[in-house]
Amino acid sequence: AQTVTQSQPEMSVQEAETVTLSCTYDTSENNYYLFWYKQPPSRQMILVIRQEAYKQQNATENRFSVNFQKAAKSFSLKISDSQLGDTAMYFCAFMSDSGAGSYQLTFGKGTKLSVIP
Amino acid sequence: NAGVMQNPRHLVRRRGQEARLRCSPMKGHSHVYWYRQLPEEGLKFMVYLQKENIIDESGMPKERFSAEFPKEGPSILRIQQVVRGDSAAYFCASSPPPGTGGFFVFGQGTRLTVV
Repeated sequence: AQTVTQSQPEMSVQEAETVTLSCTYDTSENNYYLFWYKQPPSRQMILVIRQEAYKQQNATENRFSVNFQKAAKSFSLKISDSQLGDTAMYFCAFMSDSGAGSYQLTFGKGTKLSVIP
Repeated sequence: NAGVMQNPRHLVRRRGQEARLRCSPMKGHSHVYWYRQLPEEGLKFMVYLQKENIIDESGMPKERFSAEFPKEGPSILRIQQVVRGDSAAYFCASSPPPGTGGFFVFGQGTRLTVV
């Protein structure tokens, strides 16, 4: 079974600064996807960024980028130029791509990020 | 494209009543997933369905919980004889067929409160 660990329950960052959220995972599989989701107070789950394990290049989406270290099973999220709207819970998630048929996401417990004006 | 629609957004039930949560997948999506989020926790997988077929229910509690995705209409998550511990946010997600890269789209969730 896969597990996802987010070791930082809460973090804060000054507006316009950069912050990195940590995520580690455990799996014996070679093909999988990793995700970061944002959950603002509205509770909507919003996909922030997605990484295929077979790709060595780190994914980027505007101010969001990841540091994917496959050997270390680490998948951190960097938010640059933090904005007040980035205040939210951030969840790291794993999905196997083994072809076994059940495409379920395994989530970490989340990191509560507060952006301070 | 309306996205994934869940209703109701909020549901209050007394202990022992039944709760029915509905999910209409995004247009073009044929696969539906239900997740439960307890307070201060991440989402936990419950069940994965296609039309008229349960693919994986390994996350469903053995009793009182059931799910369906009929040929016509929304997917339904049904909780019989609710207890206080069922209070949680229930999220539905939909996706195109597997092998397309895990492009899940989540609904806004239903917050169930059992009093």
